[in-house]
Amino acid sequence: GQNIDQPTEMTATEGAIVQINCTYQTSGFNGLFWYQQHAGEAPTFLSYNVLDGLEEKGRFSSFLSRSKGYSYLLLKELQMKDSASYLCAPQDSNYQLIWGAGTKLIIKP
Amino acid sequence: IAGITQAPTSQILAAGRRMTLRCTQDMRHNAMYWYRQDLGLGLRLIHYSNTAGTTGKGEVPDGYSVSRANTDDFPLTLASAVPSQTSVYFCASSLGGGSTDTQYFGPGTRLTVL
Repeated sequence: GQNIDQPTEMTATEGAIVQINCTYQTSGFNGLFWYQQHAGEAPTFLSYNVLDGLEEKGRFSSFLSRSKGYSYLLLKELQMKDSASYLCAPQDSNYQLIWGAGTKLIIKP
Repeated sequence: IAGITQAPTSQILAAGRRMTLRCTQDMRHNAMYWYRQDLGLGLRLIHYSNTAGTTGKGEVPDGYSVSRANTDDFPLTLASAVPSQTSVYFCASSLGGGSTDTQYFGPGTRLTVL
């Protein structure tokens, strides 16, 4: 079967760093997406990894290990506006996205 | 129109009624998708279309139908709504065809079936 595992909720302090982990099992693998979703809004694209390693994009970085079925999203210099849910979505052999339930990130001042 | 739009924004519907959720994109994307999102669950794919004139079933297609008469529009129809179809529905689109195929989402339709 296909399975995505992310923590349900995390809390961090403004200005700090937080790492959101995602482990996955899919029927084939073609890459992995991270999306951000603010409450009551649509998901928006953050990052995409297809090769092992770290992809950096400003304050956000995403890491992938294909052999371990593992990814993480790293958020630096946290801001209050980063309070949102973060969705991990690997792509299966048919290029369909398999969505995790998401990690709700709460930022405290 | 800029991007992808959905209508209505929200709707309360009596069980047994027929309802069509509309989705339109102006990005000339080949692929379009319908998802539902329920509390505590990930986005679940209902139906998809890889190109105009073709459709496919996703993870949870029962009770829903779609059509793709042209590139821009991808309506989702609930033939006879049931309370378990209460959810937030998102339409998405992508260029299509390949691993770097980023999906872009519409603002969603919040549907309540009583």
